[in-house]
Amino acid sequence: DAKTTQPPSMDCAEGRAANLPCNHSTISGNEYVYWYRQIHSQGPQYIIHGLKNNETNEMASLIITEDRKSSTLILPHATLRDTAVYYCIVRGSGAGSYQLTFGKGTKLSVIP
Amino acid sequence: SAVISQKPSRDICQRGTSLTIQCQVDSQVTMMFWYRQQPGQSLTLIATANQGSEATYESGFVIDKFPISRPNLTFSTLTVSNMSPEDSSIYLCSVDFGGIGELFFGEGSRLTVL
Repeated sequence: DAKTTQPPSMDCAEGRAANLPCNHSTISGNEYVYWYRQIHSQGPQYIIHGLKNNETNEMASLIITEDRKSSTLILPHATLRDTAVYYCIVRGSGAGSYQLTFGKGTKLSVIP
Repeated sequence: SAVISQKPSRDICQRGTSLTIQCQVDSQVTMMFWYRQQPGQSLTLIATANQGSEATYESGFVIDKFPISRPNLTFSTLTVSNMSPEDSSIYLCSVDFGGIGELFFGEGSRLTVL
């Protein structure tokens, strides 16, 4: 079973920030939080990942709580092209832990 | 980054037949993964394919049904054998260059079994 819990769907107005929450209360110390998204009919696309510090790249920001039991992916200015299913995934760093286990994700709809 | 090419991109097959899906990467990779995405569902890992060793299958997937080859560091194939309509899915190849970096995915091969 997936180690994360996400809301099944969210709406966001175009141009506004999209904040996608994820609960991972059983995360262990050596596990990272990864975010991917899948736009319709395409393969999943990597967005960002982090261990315990907040991370930012050209696509998004990742905010991880101090206890690491939850995180939030922030798309600062959502566009229509950001409409996709967003997957929050916990992934280990040790041998045998490299695969990704996908949950159901959050279907984000960006509305004009 | 990596360019991952999958062939075929889509196919329609008759039940009882087999189809081999190819995954070609533009650079050498340590680990390759095969996923299945059934209609309206999330991705499920089928197996991990490392060059020079037998593929490691996840629970519910067996080698007789999904044989995998990994002849070199840039190529892999997944065969879906003795197909039934329940095998209608998107099959995705994914690669990892090692460590804790991102995984890259191909665009998938959409299989419809009649």
